[in-house]
Amino acid sequence: KNQVEQSPQSLIILEGKNCTLQCNYTVSPFSNLRWYKQDTGRGPVSLTIMTFSENTKSNGRYTATLDADTKQSSLHITASQLSDSASYICVVTTSYDKVIFGPGTSLSVIP
Amino acid sequence: KAGVTQTPRYLIKTRGQQVTLSCSPISGHRSVSWYQQTPGQGLQFLFEYFSETQRNKGNFPGRFSGRQFSNSRSEMNVSTLELGDSALYLCASSITEGYDNEQFFGPGTRLTVL
Repeated sequence: KNQVEQSPQSLIILEGKNCTLQCNYTVSPFSNLRWYKQDTGRGPVSLTIMTFSENTKSNGRYTATLDADTKQSSLHITASQLSDSASYICVVTTSYDKVIFGPGTSLSVIP
Repeated sequence: KAGVTQTPRYLIKTRGQQVTLSCSPISGHRSVSWYQQTPGQGLQFLFEYFSETQRNKGNFPGRFSGRQFSNSRSEMNVSTLELGDSALYLCASSITEGYDNEQFFGPGTRLTVL
């Protein structure tokens, strides 16, 4: 069954600290994996998109990694800011254009 | 460049009614996808339209339908509303079909069914 799991479900960190969010998937055949940031009351915003051959991609303070062998991805946030407080969603797409969303990780950055 | 716009932003309906939501993609984008987001189920794919044709569909009942116009604007219709249809409905546009392209989301329409 195609599934995307994310951990932790929620996370609270102090401003300035780093954190890593995890995404595990059992999706096949794999096409790409995306990380989205969704602020409360807004639509998701794309952070990174990675295909099978890419294992790292950065977007400012956000760095995503992909291990296609173990079917795991992580999103590392460096020097967190209050504005990083949001839900982070991992999305995997199959080669047949089937889109599977993870449940998201809710991140709270506190002063 | 204007982003994806969705109207209305908020909507309250009663069970049994029908509703039509509208999405205007970014200028030059020809693909529009629709998603439903609820606290319990998270984000779920509804359908994708490209060049006025539905090219992909999620696992939703036939009460959910959509269409795309020649100017790439899209509408989504839900008939015979149920309480469980209460959700945030998101529209996303991309330059062309398929999911290798970056998708840009609108702010969503918050539908409440009473």
